Formats: sequence, C-alpha cells, structure tokens
Amino acid sequence: DAMVIQNPRYQVTQFGKPVTLSCSQTLNHNVMYWYQQKSSQAPKLLFHYYDKDFNNEADTPDNFQSRRPNTSFCFLDIRSPGLGDAAMYLCATKDRSYQPQHFGDGTRLSIL
Amino acid sequence: AQSVTQLDSQVPVFEEAPVELRCNYSSSVSVYLFWYVQYPNQGLQLLLKYLSGSTLVKGINGFEAEFNKSQTSFHLRKPSVHISDTAEYFCAVSDLNTNAGKSTFGDGTTLTVKP
Repeated sequence: DAMVIQNPRYQVTQFGKPVTLSCSQTLNHNVMYWYQQKSSQAPKLLFHYYDKDFNNEADTPDNFQSRRPNTSFCFLDIRSPGLGDAAMYLCATKDRSYQPQHFGDGTRLSIL
Repeated sequence: AQSVTQLDSQVPVFEEAPVELRCNYSSSVSVYLFWYVQYPNQGLQLLLKYLSGSTLVKGINGFEAEFNKSQTSFHLRKPSVHISDTAEYFCAVSDLNTNAGKSTFGDGTTLTVKP
C-alpha cells in the first residue's frame, strides 16, 4: 500500500545533541509537511515543501531545519534539542490543495 | 486568515449512544473541510471531507458530517458509538488559495466511549 513512513517511531536524545527524523512517502505527492504535536494539543505546522520550494512558518524556531533531497524523502533536523522540544513529530503529504493530508504514524521524541 | 474552533474539548458518552462533535470555522476565502481521527501514538487518519456538492458527507466507521455555510459549522455525528471510537478528533480547514493548501486544525475533541 502507498503510504507515509516515519522513522524511527521513538527517538531518545540528549539535551543539546543534534537529532534527525526521517519521513518517506510512496504516494508521489508534491507537498510534504512537518508538524509538532504536544500532548493533548493540535498539530502545529513547522514547515512545508511544495515540490522543492521550502516554506517556513513564522514562529518555527531557528533550531529546526528541514531537507527534502527528492520527492520521496524529507528530514527534520533539530540542531540543539531542548526539553521543550519533546513532542510527537508528524509528517504528512498532500497531492492537491483540495485533497486531505496523508499522515505518517509519527516519531515520539524524548529529551534526556 | 482562517481559524477552527472545536466547541467541546472532551465528550464522554456511553456505548451505542449517539454523539455529535462540534466544529465552527472562520475564513475570508472558500475552504475545504476535514475531520481526522487520531488513536494513541498514531498519526491522523481521515474520517471524511467536504469539498463541494451535497452538504451531508459520509465517512468511514459510520461517521457523517454536515456542512452549514450560513452557520460556518461542520459538525461530526455518529448515531451509535462503539468502544473502539474512543480517540481524539480534529476538525480542519484547508486554504484554497495556495497550491500547498495548508490546513488549520482545531484543538481537538477527546471522545471517550464508556461501556
């Protein structure tokens, strides 16, 4: 089945140690999103790509970076994770503006 | 700018009872509307969507929603819930004006179905 896959499902890192989360898709969708979701809250959009065009949300911290080397893969880099960055990180894709998003199962990030 | 308000943060209900989860939105442009469900430690899964046409839309797992343009609402309903419907439900609107069609999500409603 075509899908959105996030690896790893659970990630533990140390305070200040860089970490990378990955997302791959077999849907061939143009748009990819990264969200941060904290407990009992709505997903918060960090950034998105339309093809190779990168769009950063105004309130996304500089600590968060992203790369999309090709249509299928997208990475979220957290350069110096703080305790407040512990959250579920969701990747999603979309084909057209009027279509729903397809979500991966997320990566739960813990900071020691 | 657009916004979504889910009027109930928590909805407890007994098994086999009907349920309605309320969603109001505001937008200066036309939008598409979605309901997603999220089970613990999983991503969001589409329940149903309104793009155009009939204002009553049917989704998976027996859910349906009605688009009301005059009241800017998109309430989700199910006539008889099951224990397995216990989850977090998110209403979302998507902007038509950009190719990327970013979505704005409500804060979610926790549905708890009790035996």
